[in-house]
Amino acid sequence: QLVQSGAEVRKPGASVRVSCKASGYTFTNHFMHWVRQDSGQGLEWLGIINPRGGRAVYAKNFQGRLTMTTDTSRTTVYMELKSLRADDTAVYFCAVDPFDYWGQGTPVTVSS
Amino acid sequence: SYELTQPHSVSVALGQTATISCGGRDIGSKSVHWYRQMPGQAPALVIYNNTERLSGIPERFSASNSGNTATLSVSGAQDGDEAAYYCQVWDSKAPGAVFGGGTKLTVL
Repeated sequence: QLVQSGAEVRKPGASVRVSCKASGYTFTNHFMHWVRQDSGQGLEWLGIINPRGGRAVYAKNFQGRLTMTTDTSRTTVYMELKSLRADDTAVYFCAVDPFDYWGQGTPVTVSS
Repeated sequence: SYELTQPHSVSVALGQTATISCGGRDIGSKSVHWYRQMPGQAPALVIYNNTERLSGIPERFSASNSGNTATLSVSGAQDGDEAAYYCQVWDSKAPGAVFGGGTKLTVL
């Protein structure tokens, strides 16, 4: 089971951090993806992190603005997106590799 | 970058077979996965590795992949099959996951 943090509202230029707490499986045995979905309904892959060691790979469009981290003691992964823009408004999902379990989604709204 | 193309919408009569295509350059050489998303919910894996149904998915759902097109078929369409369906592959060159734009399936 993946349980994400609640909805967020930010102003342009700010940062947001979304958490994803995992349970029901061995946390360090499975990579975690982050995907977002805008109001146009398209799905966009943001990156993937290995909870064992914390190494992450980010989509090219987000390199420099996106950071993924893990806390193995809390079996939680985090996604932080900086320098937010209006077009970052979307629902952000975590998903266990290979996308067979998803979190419920966290709406992030960027508006002045 | 690698792109996947899906029709925006597909309609099917109740009880008939719906076919949803997913086009991509030489997609037949990749593993394609299909997701179903109900309104207000997260996507859910339906088919993985081109043809394998996830546990609990009825045999009415099948898929194929060859050449430049992967296809998801839903036979005996039911009202409960109405949803958005997305295809996905892994682009090893990017690297990263690539999703199709999604297809809204309507059962008439």
